[in-house]
Amino acid sequence: DAKTTQPNSMESNEEEPVHLPCNHSTISGTDYIHWYRQLPSQGPEYVIHGLTSNVNNRMASLAIAEDRKSSTLILHRATLRDAAVYYCILRVGATNKLIFGTGTLLAVQP
Amino acid sequence: DTGVSQNPRHKITKRGQNVTFRCDPISEHNRLYWYRQTLGQGPEFLTYFQNEAQLEKSRLLSDRFSAERPKGSFSTLEIQRTEQGDSAMYLCASSSAWTGLSETQYFGPGTRLLVL
Repeated sequence: DAKTTQPNSMESNEEEPVHLPCNHSTISGTDYIHWYRQLPSQGPEYVIHGLTSNVNNRMASLAIAEDRKSSTLILHRATLRDAAVYYCILRVGATNKLIFGTGTLLAVQP
Repeated sequence: DTGVSQNPRHKITKRGQNVTFRCDPISEHNRLYWYRQTLGQGPEFLTYFQNEAQLEKSRLLSDRFSAERPKGSFSTLEIQRTEQGDSAMYLCASSSAWTGLSETQYFGPGTRLLVL
């Protein structure tokens, strides 16, 4: 299974940008990079995904390295409601399942 | 609310009993997934359906586990002869197959199972 590596935890201050890194050195050409987050006592929630180019949506931005071996999820202004576990996942072309790691626990301080 | 729903939200049972969980996906979604999550871990894939066909099962899904999606709409996950190690959050997700490799899965709130 395609593997990603993320820091176990990160801290941020409210209203400051947060950059959540992910390494995926074994990525292949057709693998999509997906990010989900899980708030306490809830199911995971889709955040953003990309293949090669940087992506923006209303929740976040995704910056993908030129060699695609790493990516960064950017929350432009963290709020207390962004405190969650953030999962970086490779969607491998041959399978539909999501392979979750342990993710990054983001704490947001007021 | 047109999201994924799961029932019950919580279930406490005694070891050896059978339990059944239900998942109602987003109505136009033809794919349905089951995952299991234990404390401090990310969700682990159990199985998935496309319409009524069960297309993949994890090795985690022992003989005591069975999942069905009889009419390609709602799904049930049954655990027979529950064991304490089955205590976990059981998550259901749905998606549309028509979006290809950029497919997004939408998760329900989960059913938390505690086996005493």
